[in-house]
Amino acid sequence: GESVGLHLPTLSVQEGDNSIINCAYSNSASDYFIWYKQESGKGPQFIIDIRSNMDKRQGQRVTVLLNKTVKHLSLQIAATQPGDSAVYFCAENRDRGSTLGRLYFGRGTQLTVWP
Amino acid sequence: SQTIHQWPATLVQPVGSPLSLECTVEGTSNPNLYWYRQAAGRGLQLLFYSVGIGQISSEVPQNLSASRPQDRQFILSSKKLLLSDSGFYLCAWTGGTYGYTFGSGTRLTVV
Repeated sequence: GESVGLHLPTLSVQEGDNSIINCAYSNSASDYFIWYKQESGKGPQFIIDIRSNMDKRQGQRVTVLLNKTVKHLSLQIAATQPGDSAVYFCAENRDRGSTLGRLYFGRGTQLTVWP
Repeated sequence: SQTIHQWPATLVQPVGSPLSLECTVEGTSNPNLYWYRQAAGRGLQLLFYSVGIGQISSEVPQNLSASRPQDRQFILSSKKLLLSDSGFYLCAWTGGTYGYTFGSGTRLTVV
């Protein structure tokens, strides 16, 4: 079943503003987390990942923060653009120490960027 | 470079008809392969995964089955489709530099 959930199902921001998408997970054994972006009718696209031995990881315009104490994950998008409009999913890998690589997804957050 | 192919892109099938969706991966060997389903407005649910030829594990009981006849080929099947089988089906693989890569998906509508 789903153990990864998102606090906000929808998020609307103005172009140029920063966006923050949140995610809660319940399995403390999960050691790897990924954020995906999914545009309508397409497969999910990898954005950024983070391992449980890290608190923060930065990419191009995106930052993922991991708070293991409260089992919380967030995705920050800087200077949000209309092309960032999509559904964003967080996913967790609970197969610590193995190569099974199964991912469990939350429901997703619809991000809408207004010009 | 590694690529993943999934087809068909859309499919409309009557209730009770069989199903076969195919996924192939190029540019890698011995990948882990996965089938996910996404219902409208929902996240992705893991259906099957495979760590090698002929090795299939199911995550949830359902009307579907999976097979891996070749190293880079993963097939999702059903003998008789139900209305509840409608959804967006995604194949994925691991083994690449950026973790998990998804195919473009198949939109299945059972009528």
